[in-house]
Amino acid sequence: IAGITQAPTSQILAAGRRMTLRCTQDMRHNAMYWYRQDLGLGLRLIHYSNTAGTTGKGEVPDGYSVSRANTDDFPLTLASAVPSQTSVYFCASSGTSASTDTQYFGPGTRLTVL
Amino acid sequence: GQNIDQPTEMTATEGAIVQINCTYQTSGFNGLFWYQQHAGEAPTFLSYNVLDGLEEKGRFSSFLSRSKGYSYLLLKELQMKDSASYLCAVMDSNYQLIWGAGTKLIIKP
Repeated sequence: IAGITQAPTSQILAAGRRMTLRCTQDMRHNAMYWYRQDLGLGLRLIHYSNTAGTTGKGEVPDGYSVSRANTDDFPLTLASAVPSQTSVYFCASSGTSASTDTQYFGPGTRLTVL
Repeated sequence: GQNIDQPTEMTATEGAIVQINCTYQTSGFNGLFWYQQHAGEAPTFLSYNVLDGLEEKGRFSSFLSRSKGYSYLLLKELQMKDSASYLCAVMDSNYQLIWGAGTKLIIKP
């Protein structure tokens, strides 16, 4: 693989169910990010990780959790999905969290919570 | 609060020039990014400005004025494949990107 992959591509989920969105990068980037994108709104940061073993909260972290056990993987978990979490979720990575480092995006996961 | 403003939608003609504006108010400034996003796809990086002035990259140029909290993306010799959304994002004092809602650019033949 080259770049960032996300799985699943899309998912329909019943409210109250637990769901993990997967993200893997093979660029050996230190920093990784999870965003959600909703119509009419800009991308909003959910959680981030500046390096393996560390995570931080973004603008909209409630209802989501992340882990960063290694450099390549950064899964996002919805413990108990609610309809307001219906969105397109993008994972991104950058070499570091420095301002000059471009963020590269995965293809996204389209999640619908009913 | 932090705010990034850009027009919701613009229309231009193939072969022409279009300028997409972005104004921002953020807590700190560590650079401004422009990304392109085709419908149903991921955003892809176009340009980065941290100092005032114009950065040119082929058909695309990006301008920054930090004192005015203003940037624009200039697209020349428009092609149909340039139909996409253009996202403006500012890196704030916490090194987090604050994103505008994007400008949908429609190119007509």
